[in-house]
Amino acid sequence: DAGVIQSPRHEVTEMGQEVTLRCKPISGHDYLFWYRQTMMRGLELLIYFNNNVPIDDSGMPEDRFSAKMPNASFSTLKIQPSEPRDSAVYFCASSEPGQGALRATNEKLFFGSGTQLSVL
Amino acid sequence: AQKITQTQPGMFVQEKEAVTLDCTYDTSDQSYGLFWYKQPSSGEMIFLIYQGSYDEQNATEGRYSLNFQKARKSANLVISASQLGDSAMYFCAMREGPHSGNTGKLIFGQGTTLQVKP
Repeated sequence: DAGVIQSPRHEVTEMGQEVTLRCKPISGHDYLFWYRQTMMRGLELLIYFNNNVPIDDSGMPEDRFSAKMPNASFSTLKIQPSEPRDSAVYFCASSEPGQGALRATNEKLFFGSGTQLSVL
Repeated sequence: AQKITQTQPGMFVQEKEAVTLDCTYDTSDQSYGLFWYKQPSSGEMIFLIYQGSYDEQNATEGRYSLNFQKARKSANLVISASQLGDSAMYFCAMREGPHSGNTGKLIFGQGTTLQVKP
């Protein structure tokens, strides 16, 4: 398997522009996560999906951020309009369903390579 | 409320020595999972080790072991025989169970930067 695939690897844009980050999870995985990493705030969970349904979006900073998962093999994170403070590395991750009593808690996340976003 | 706490922003260890990275967590769930990830300077997130809340034995993976003390809610990572390639950021994480209302959610601590000295 190719692993979790994120695109683009790097994005440089100007303030006010729309930015769309893309993620293809590993086939068969039913959880998908979007994280943002900055020096100041560390690794923040923005939103996560289970079976394409958003479960918790409480980490989404504000209405400028939106995420979709139209099918099991694709997700997008959109920022509109972008601002310089959105500059960060954005990671997508996915995990298998898991089994047994610890289902959904015992499966590790596989991470993509991340998208380095710079908003000027 | 912070649920994962890593109190050591930075650590140094001499090559070939062992080092312990601290992690405490907070949950009211009985079912949860604890993870450690490594992030080298190249930026990728590398899974190291997993401990389930019902596991009675401490998890081990090669030079990595997890010192799981459930009553104290701690899940410290022990790296034995440190190597120069172990220099990286290390993250403790917890995957929440059903009672949290957010089954499957994985949250990270702030991380500990480890530098291995030759």
